Amino acid sequence: GAGVSQSPSNKVTEKGKDVELRCDPISGHTALYWYRQRLGQGLEFLIYFQGNSAPDKSGLPSDRFSAERTGESVSTLTIQRTQQEDSAVYLCASSRDRGSNIQYFGAGTRLSVL
Amino acid sequence: KQEVTQIPAALSVPEGENLVLNCSFTDSAIYNLQWFRQDPGKGLTSLLLIQSSQREQTSGRLNASLDKSSGRSTLYIAASQPGDSATYLCAVNVYTNAGKSTFGDGTTLTVKP
Repeated sequence: GAGVSQSPSNKVTEKGKDVELRCDPISGHTALYWYRQRLGQGLEFLIYFQGNSAPDKSGLPSDRFSAERTGESVSTLTIQRTQQEDSAVYLCASSRDRGSNIQYFGAGTRLSVL
Repeated sequence: KQEVTQIPAALSVPEGENLVLNCSFTDSAIYNLQWFRQDPGKGLTSLLLIQSSQREQTSGRLNASLDKSSGRSTLYIAASQPGDSATYLCAVNVYTNAGKSTFGDGTTLTVKP
């Protein structure tokens, strides 16, 4: 595949519903990152996967947020019982390995919670 | 806790001008620093990656420098063009939390024709 692919590109949901955001990293990239970007702000780290190691979940803002990754492939970020403050662009990035290499970003999923 | 600050928040320059964007960070024990470009409604594009052992990196009209001891990095853009208009973000990767980048809020650059 060419680059990091995220779906959906846009998601509108009602407050209280659950949403799933998907990220397909570049093939062969062992590291995968999720970030949140609120309007006019920088990126906020959420979670980091490196190979088969336990993920670094220290950036998840609440227990409503969770993420999974199957091996070194697709990752899913799940937000349960969405709140209006969850509205943001959720960006996924992958790199060949931890931190030492360039991160390649997807175009993001714009989540709007009404 | 690592904090990254970018100054100015916004910058408007006429076409052809050389300019400098600034990034400062509080924890000098970094692994690398990366400059990104973000166009409205789009994801991030990596511009330059500087490892902690390096002082600068160059790509075309872009030059990024790193001074770890003072906690600073600059992105120099030569002969700016309207197509350079975007938000520029710097991100720091701290060795003790490898893979967990801390981003600044960005500098939004407008280059006027």
